[in-house]
Amino acid sequence: DAGVIQSPRHEVTEMGQEVTLRCKPISGHDYLFWYRQTMMRGLELLIYFNNNVPIDDSGMPEDRFSAKMPNASFSTLKIQPSEPRDSAVYFCASSYGADTQYFGPGTRLTVL
Amino acid sequence: AQSVTQPDIHITVSEGASLELRCNYSYGATPYLFWYVQSPGQGLQLLLKYFSGDTLVQGIKGFEAEFKRSQSSFNLRKPSVHWSDAAEYFCAVGATGYSTLTFGKGTMLLVSP
Repeated sequence: DAGVIQSPRHEVTEMGQEVTLRCKPISGHDYLFWYRQTMMRGLELLIYFNNNVPIDDSGMPEDRFSAKMPNASFSTLKIQPSEPRDSAVYFCASSYGADTQYFGPGTRLTVL
Repeated sequence: AQSVTQPDIHITVSEGASLELRCNYSYGATPYLFWYVQSPGQGLQLLLKYFSGDTLVQGIKGFEAEFKRSQSSFNLRKPSVHWSDAAEYFCAVGATGYSTLTFGKGTMLLVSP
């Protein structure tokens, strides 16, 4: 079975541009998580969904960040407008219930 | 709210030597505990987990961890380290009945020849 799929793997953009990160969770999983990893702050939970419904978005840094999950097999994390301080590795993870979270390979975002 | 402390930012171990990575958690009830490993440029891979039962948990790649409630610890061990074990290791705690995890800051393992 394929694991969590993220695209793109690398994204380089200029400040002010819109960035969209994509995630396909493992089939059958009902939870989806978006994390951000930086040297300074470590691994931070941004938002998570249960059965496609956002449950907790308290980790989203500001209104420039938004996430959607239109169906059980797809989610997006959008940053508009992007800023240099958004540069980080963004991970998507999925789980079945309150069990193990399986992580995707991540998207390395660089905002110039 | 739960928290996780990994007191060692970096650890260097000689190849073939034993390894112990420390993890202390803060949580009022019985936690769910996890160890993940992250190789450079990769996502996090689950090594092992503890939900209940036997406090000594076996994982992949020859790793094990022991849950000690009295010490609020979940230390990761391996009897003989291989060069391929060089990576960053994360301990995480989850609350019973909830799906979110709180991660420690990670411990970077370096393996010397």
